[in-house]
Amino acid sequence: AQKVTQAQTEISVVEKEDVTLDCVYETRDTTYYLFWYKQPPSGELVFLIRRNSFDEQNEISGRYSWNFQKSTSSFNFTITASQVVDSAVYFCALSVGGANSKLTFGKGITLSVRP
Amino acid sequence: DADVTQTPRNRITKTGKRIMLECSQTKGHDRMYWYRQDPGLGLRLIYYSFDVKDINKGEISDGYSVSRQAQAKFSLSLESAIPNQTALYFCATSDPRDSANYGYTFGSGTRLTVV
Repeated sequence: AQKVTQAQTEISVVEKEDVTLDCVYETRDTTYYLFWYKQPPSGELVFLIRRNSFDEQNEISGRYSWNFQKSTSSFNFTITASQVVDSAVYFCALSVGGANSKLTFGKGITLSVRP
Repeated sequence: DADVTQTPRNRITKTGKRIMLECSQTKGHDRMYWYRQDPGLGLRLIYYSFDVKDINKGEISDGYSVSRQAQAKFSLSLESAIPNQTALYFCATSDPRDSANYGYTFGSGTRLTVV
């Protein structure tokens, strides 16, 4: 069975601080896909990134960066110079059996960025 | 029009009532999913369907049923609603052949309240 653990439940930072959201996953499959989604207060789910198990290269997209480490089964997400608009719930998710199979989500991390 | 449309967006119903949540998609995807989101619990899979003749239970299917009327339509029913089914419900689609958005598309959600 697959499992995604987001141990942090709520994080509060002041604008311009850097913040890292942790994600630890469990799976016996050697091929799997990891995702991060953002859920702003409006409620919709916004796709941020997908990474497959064969690609451990870290990724940077503007203020966002992701660190994938198979050795520790972690896929952490860092927001640099946080902004109020980053306030949201962030979900890490895992799929096995193909990139488009069912997703297993973590419980989510509520990030509050204060002005 | 949205690629994945959920109706209704909001619904308040009474305990014991039968209610149907509908999902339709224009993506042409074969795979469809129903997830439930509860605060602090993340998204959990209720049912999923990989094609019109394929229906599978997810993690929390008790108290729910589904119908895949066509490739584009996947309905979720609560036969006798109870208060602990109050939640935000998401429909999603995916297809291995659709690399855009990395294959998953989520609806905007249906907020269901059972009183």
